[in-house]
Amino acid sequence: DAKTTQPTSMDCAEGRAANLPCNHSTISGNEYVYWYRQIHSQGPQYIIHGLKNNETNEMASLIITEDRKSSTLILPHATLRDTAVYYCIVRSNNAGNMLTFGGGTRLMVKP
Amino acid sequence: NAGVTQTPKFRILKIGQSMTLQCTQDMNHNYMYWYRQDPGMGLKLIYYSVGAGITDKGEVPNGYNVSRSTTEDFPLRLELAAPSQTSVYFCASSYSDSKGGNEQYFGPGTRLTVT
Repeated sequence: DAKTTQPTSMDCAEGRAANLPCNHSTISGNEYVYWYRQIHSQGPQYIIHGLKNNETNEMASLIITEDRKSSTLILPHATLRDTAVYYCIVRSNNAGNMLTFGGGTRLMVKP
Repeated sequence: NAGVTQTPKFRILKIGQSMTLQCTQDMNHNYMYWYRQDPGMGLKLIYYSVGAGITDKGEVPNGYNVSRSTTEDFPLRLELAAPSQTSVYFCASSYSDSKGGNEQYFGPGTRLTVT
């Protein structure tokens, strides 16, 4: 599976959009981009995933560049409860459904 | 649905003791996983299972054993506990689909300390 690069930490003001970037320049054509988050001491929580097209659900939007070498997770109106570590993960269908978690981005939402 | 449940929540072991971490899911998922997370680090895969009777090693399997006799249960066994196994252990489950869907559902974790 392709490796990902994320900033170690980011701050965001409450009510503003949080844009979390992820680089995956070695991504292969059959690899999906997944985003999970982990709120302190809890198990990781699935947010969203995509292959080529931009995706949106009730939690967030995922914007994938046309060359698929990077993506951005957007939390449209960040709240204090969105403070967490956000993991960007790239995996293929034939990886035994395994997820490889890197260091992630620690997002701090401030009042 | 209760989702993924893990027991116990906390445990302290002495070096050389053994224990089993329990994991149960009620979503009829075919895939189940065990991860460990050391302080300040990301999760590392220990073992996984693609269905009852089938298990395989992940990134860090040494010192652990698993079994999968039913779809619902995936216990993790530590035979000779070592301080290096002090960690938080997360169990997860997912379905598999032809489109690559892999939304893993995680349990609340078991905090294990080996002294």
